[in-house]
Amino acid sequence: DADVTQTPRNRITKTGKRIMLECSQTKGHDRMYWYRQDPGLGLRLIYYSFDVKDINKGEISDGYSVSRQAQAKFSLSLESAIPNQTALYFCATSDRTSHTEAFFGQGTRLTVV
Amino acid sequence: DQQVKQNSPSLSVQEGRISILNCDYTNSMFDYFLWYKKYPAEGPTFLISISSIKDKNEDGRFTVFLNKSAKHLSLHIVPSQPGDSAVYFCAASATGGTSYGKLTFGQGTILTVHP
Repeated sequence: DADVTQTPRNRITKTGKRIMLECSQTKGHDRMYWYRQDPGLGLRLIYYSFDVKDINKGEISDGYSVSRQAQAKFSLSLESAIPNQTALYFCATSDRTSHTEAFFGQGTRLTVV
Repeated sequence: DQQVKQNSPSLSVQEGRISILNCDYTNSMFDYFLWYKKYPAEGPTFLISISSIKDKNEDGRFTVFLNKSAKHLSLHIVPSQPGDSAVYFCAASATGGTSYGKLTFGQGTILTVHP
């Protein structure tokens, strides 16, 4: 089983719909992140959480919200999806006691039509 | 404002030769740098890292060089193998203060190693 699991792996949704992407981890890490990947732009940080009661905006948080339900679970929501949110989304985790190496899930490909 | 830049979108190399991937950064607060490799339909995986107190770090066929004065790092793969064909992302972090743990990524470079 993967250490960082994202569901769903693929999703097509309509403009204006609410959608939630889920992430769970078995690595026991405190820190969790959501990134999106777009061609030519690399990975950009949406939100991050350093523990259960900590939520921080990343560089592109507009149009997104997150919930840290437990140490192992971090979900990303698009309240009203729009086509330019079509992208590949990655969840990642890291350990506070080590350097900043992050471990990534396999990604969720989201298409907003 | 792109704080980490990989100016070469793609690189093609013959098997057995050296692959050199480059990365530039602008934020002087960055003091830890990482390279990630990504295959299609998979998440990025950590490859090698370097702290700003060093100028070189080696792990098998992979070596990362850091030139702090030029704000430039490079990843050397010697010898290159077809299995190295992937997208390579450079990432940087400022490990002090509240930014610790946050990674800023470059755009990625697609490496193709031909047999």
